[in-house]
Amino acid sequence: GAVVSQHPSWVICKSGTSVKIECRSLDFQATTMFWYRQFPKQSLMLMATSNEGSKATYEQGVEKDKFLINHASLTLSTLTVTSAHPEDSSFYICSAPGPVEKRGEQYFGPGTRLTVT
Amino acid sequence: LAKTTQPISMDSYEGQEVNITCSHNNIATNDYITWYQQFPSQGPRFIIQGYKTKVTNEVASLFIPADRKSSTLSLPRVSLSDTAVYYCLVVPGGGRRALTFGSGTRLQVQP
Repeated sequence: GAVVSQHPSWVICKSGTSVKIECRSLDFQATTMFWYRQFPKQSLMLMATSNEGSKATYEQGVEKDKFLINHASLTLSTLTVTSAHPEDSSFYICSAPGPVEKRGEQYFGPGTRLTVT
Repeated sequence: LAKTTQPISMDSYEGQEVNITCSHNNIATNDYITWYQQFPSQGPRFIIQGYKTKVTNEVASLFIPADRKSSTLSLPRVSLSDTAVYYCLVVPGGGRRALTFGSGTRLQVQP
C-alpha cells in the first residue's frame, strides 16, 4: 500500500527556535497533503492543506506566518514551526489522499512529536 | 459535514467480538462512512469504508442500516493489540478532502 513518511519522528527544541518537519509520499505522488495537530488525549485537528506548486490553505485560527508550509515537489511537503513556544508542543501528522475512487481512504504519516522547552 | 457521535470508551476482553456504534443523523446522500484506527503516538490507519448494508474485509466488518443514520464497526475476536482509538468519519463522496475527526472511541482490551 501507499506509504507516507515523516521526519523527524520526534524533536526537542528551545523556545524561540524554528523546527522543520518533512512529509514524504514514498511510492506515489501527492499533489495535496494535509497537516494535522493532535494534543494529548485529543483528536486530530486539521491545520492546513498543502498544495504542490501553490500556497497552502490554512484553517481558521492557524497562523500562516507561524506554521510555514512548502510543497515544492509531488512527494514532499514541509511544515516549519517558526519561533516555537511551549504551547506549540504537540504531535504533528501529515496525510495524503488516496485515489479518487477510494474517497475517504487517506494515508497518514507516523507523526512527529514536537517538544518545545 | 455530518456530525458523528460515538462512545468515548469501551472495554473488552481478548477473544470477544467488539461492536462500536456511531451515529450520524445528518449524513448526506453522497457521504461515505469511514473508520480509522489510531495507536498511541502513531498516525491513524484506515480500517474500512462503506455506503450501505454490510462491508467486510480482513480486519473488520461495517454494518450500515438502510437509513444510514448510524453504523457499527465490528471487530471479531479482539486481541490486546486492538487496544486503540477508533474514529468514525463521514466523508463526502467527492473524496480527496481533509478528514474531520471526532473524539473517537478508546477501546481497551484486557487479557
